Amino acid sequence: TQLLEQSPQFLSIQEGENLTVYCNSSSVFSSLQWYRQEPGEGPVLLVTVVTGGEVKKLKRLTFQFGDARKDSSLHITAAQPGDTGLYLCAAGYNFNKFYFGSGTKLNVKP
Amino acid sequence: DTGVSQDPRHKITKRGQNVTFRCDPISEHNRLYWYRQTLGQGPEFLTYFQNEAQLEKSRLLSDRFSAERPKGSFSTLEIQRTEQGDSAMYLCASSRTGANQPQHFGDGTRLSIL
Repeated sequence: TQLLEQSPQFLSIQEGENLTVYCNSSSVFSSLQWYRQEPGEGPVLLVTVVTGGEVKKLKRLTFQFGDARKDSSLHITAAQPGDTGLYLCAAGYNFNKFYFGSGTKLNVKP
Repeated sequence: DTGVSQDPRHKITKRGQNVTFRCDPISEHNRLYWYRQTLGQGPEFLTYFQNEAQLEKSRLLSDRFSAERPKGSFSTLEIQRTEQGDSAMYLCASSRTGANQPQHFGDGTRLSIL
């Protein structure tokens, strides 16, 4: 049973395009983390969001936490081939355990 | 901060054999997590330690799996009588104690069962 739903599962776009990845649940999270993972490596933390309605920016990446703390989005502006990877969201429910979505596999073509 | 280290990076073994993986967390991190990741999926929680105490175990962790963190520093994950379905990437993460502390992951041990 997947507690977190990520969409889309796959995304293939041209360099320079914008994209948004979504992470949804029917439960309220205490926090949400976004990671990027490359083949053969562990996930690398991008951002943690905690407060409902929070927006964080990391260069061309914008992360938003829903007001009700049940959903989040990641928006990438002017995607580059170096953005290619598996994007994972992970929700913390009781500060001790984290559930991951199944990820969005992004491919940015030059 | 030397990061989370896992050993070995790859393990190939025959079905029925026992395997043990090691994780060295970031030194000042009290919490240590084990996850399993199969192809095309996100990591699935297996278990977590606060210092040397194992505080939670997933139902995914059958009797053949055991994890230890004897001195509150490194941890080991052992799988006995391995089965084909155990083939996966086993990831370790560590974090500081406290609410909403981010987890830092190692690069995992990829287990292949022949």
